This record gives sequence, structure tokens and C-alpha cells, in this order.
Amino acid sequence: IAGITQAPTSQILAAGRRMTLRCTQDMRHNAMYWYRQDLGLGLRLIHYSNTAGTTGKGEVPDGYSVSRANTDDFPLTLASAVPSQTSVYFCASSDGLAGGRRNEQFFGPGTRLTVL
Amino acid sequence: SQKIEQNSEALNIQEGKTATLTCNYTNYSPAYLQWYRQDPGRGPVFLLLIRENEKEKRKERLKVTFDTTLKQSLFHITASQPADSATYLCALIVTGANNLFFGTGTRLTIIP
Repeated sequence: IAGITQAPTSQILAAGRRMTLRCTQDMRHNAMYWYRQDLGLGLRLIHYSNTAGTTGKGEVPDGYSVSRANTDDFPLTLASAVPSQTSVYFCASSDGLAGGRRNEQFFGPGTRLTVL
Repeated sequence: SQKIEQNSEALNIQEGKTATLTCNYTNYSPAYLQWYRQDPGRGPVFLLLIRENEKEKRKERLKVTFDTTLKQSLFHITASQPADSATYLCALIVTGANNLFFGTGTRLTIIP
């Protein structure tokens, strides 16, 4: 593994189903993030984690949950998917706190999710 | 309301010319501003960071300016090449916030 990996690459999901998007980093970064990217709206933060064991809400957290049991993994769960959650989801990480001070963010390749 | 606007959705520039992309923001007080490059089907890649007390930052053919009075950052690519074709995103870092705030991006095409 080099950097950040995300799985699956893409998924088509029926509305109402539960789905977990996986994210793993091997850089030992403290902070991790989940964004969604929609046409015309740019990247918007869903949830973040400053360090293992802690999480926080971003701009658009409703309908999503996260956990951070260890440094490397930061899964994103959609408990009951709805069509408005159709988007491209990016996981990212940065060294240091999620306050973002000077810290560049490293992004994964993304998961394209379609909810029908 | 808070807004980050990037000058246009798409920009076409002749190879060899300087491409200039604009990022304007309202109702933010950013401590830092970052620029990212995003290729189709890929995640964004960090390019440059500039602090609020810096006027200009350079890296190879890239130059970023940051004017907190105008609430604007300009991103320049000199001697542009077709390989520079991508979407470029600006992102603000606000003191006390826990995330970057991204603009919607400008899709730059360098025409050979």
C-alpha cells in the first residue's frame, strides 16, 4: 500500500441499503477526512478525525457515520442510502491536526457511488 | 453567506502562454490558502500553500498570490504545457475550523 487506498472503486446501491466505504492510509497521518464531490458544489467535508478514537462532523454529516478505531483506517457508513447520496467520495489524510495548519491533504482515488 | 468562487468553470490557453486562475472568497478569514490539481477520475493533489502574511509563493512554473484585502488568490502557470491540463481547486484554511473549504474548481485546457 502506498498512500491512501479506497474501496470499492465504484458501487451501485439500492436506496435503503447500508453501505460502508473503506479507507486505509499507510503514512501514519493523524488526521483523516471524508469528502463528497458533486458537480457545481465542489468538495464538501462529511466527517473528520483528528486522531484515532476521535471523530467530528463536517459541513454535510447527515446520513453518514464514521469510526476511527486505529490510525490507518477510517470507514464511512451510509446507514440507509438515499439517491441524494449519489456522489464521488474521497478520503484524505494529513499530518497533524485537522485544523489544517499548513498541512497538505493527501487524497485517495475516490469511490463513485450511485444510489438508485 | 460564505462563498468561494473560481473565475470560470473552464479556461482554454494556448501552449506556451501563462494561464491565470482566480479564486475569490467572501465572508471567510483564511489563515492559509492551498491550491490543488485534480485529473479526471483521480483525487486532488496538493500543489502550493500560501499564508495570509505572504504576498507570493513560487514553485517551478507555478506562482500563487494572496491578497487578503481583495479577498483573492491568483494561480499562474507560466510556459504552459498540454500536461498542465486539469482541474485546479483552491481551498481555504480558516483559523479554528477543522477542514479545508474548497472552491468548485476551474478546468484548464492547454491547447497545443
